[in-house]
Amino acid sequence: AQSVTQLGSHVSVSEGALVLLRCNYSSSVPPYLFWYVQYPNQGLQLLLKYTTGATLVKGINGFEAEFKKSETSFHLTKPSAHMSDAAEYFCAVSEGDDKIIFGKGTRLHILP
Amino acid sequence: GAVVSQHPSWVICKSGTSVKIECRSLDFQATTMFWYRQFPKQSLMLMATSNEGSKATYEQGVEKDKFLINHASLTLSTLTVTSAHPEDSSFYICSAERTGGAGGYTFGSGTRLTVV
Repeated sequence: AQSVTQLGSHVSVSEGALVLLRCNYSSSVPPYLFWYVQYPNQGLQLLLKYTTGATLVKGINGFEAEFKKSETSFHLTKPSAHMSDAAEYFCAVSEGDDKIIFGKGTRLHILP
Repeated sequence: GAVVSQHPSWVICKSGTSVKIECRSLDFQATTMFWYRQFPKQSLMLMATSNEGSKATYEQGVEKDKFLINHASLTLSTLTVTSAHPEDSSFYICSAERTGGAGGYTFGSGTRLTVV
């Protein structure tokens, strides 16, 4: 069975600092992994996804994530936080069919 | 806390029939709920945004007469797939915006619809 765990429901970083949002998953087959962002009053936006191939995935807005099979992790990073990055971030896993499981989300706060 | 119950978790229906999917926030009020559709190996597709007491806002390309959304209370939104066809078979998932307090969003567990 698939599952996703996002460590930390709230994360605060200073503007310009490194952003690290943690995601661990479990899957019985090679997973498809996603990071989404959601701003208030808007639907989800896809940041990036891992399907196969290169384990370091680059997404929009300077975000990237690395698939580490040995650690069953797919942490999201950004070298330098901007105020506009303040939002809620969701990690999700799929086993290649149309079912997708979301983590509980991490609210990212950017401190001036 | 912050649980969203989505029901049913799976349903099989015949072509031409209608299916209703419920998304219920169990321990918080949700002024806004989102309905998504997931295709295999693709990113989630936002279908519509529903606000309690008003008409849903549909994304471009989503047929509002086919996918009827009702958000009659602060804890319940429903998606009805009318005159379902096999191409409507998919995984549908809702999320609810937690009003007040810390805010944020909570996802339902999804509904697998199979139209035969």
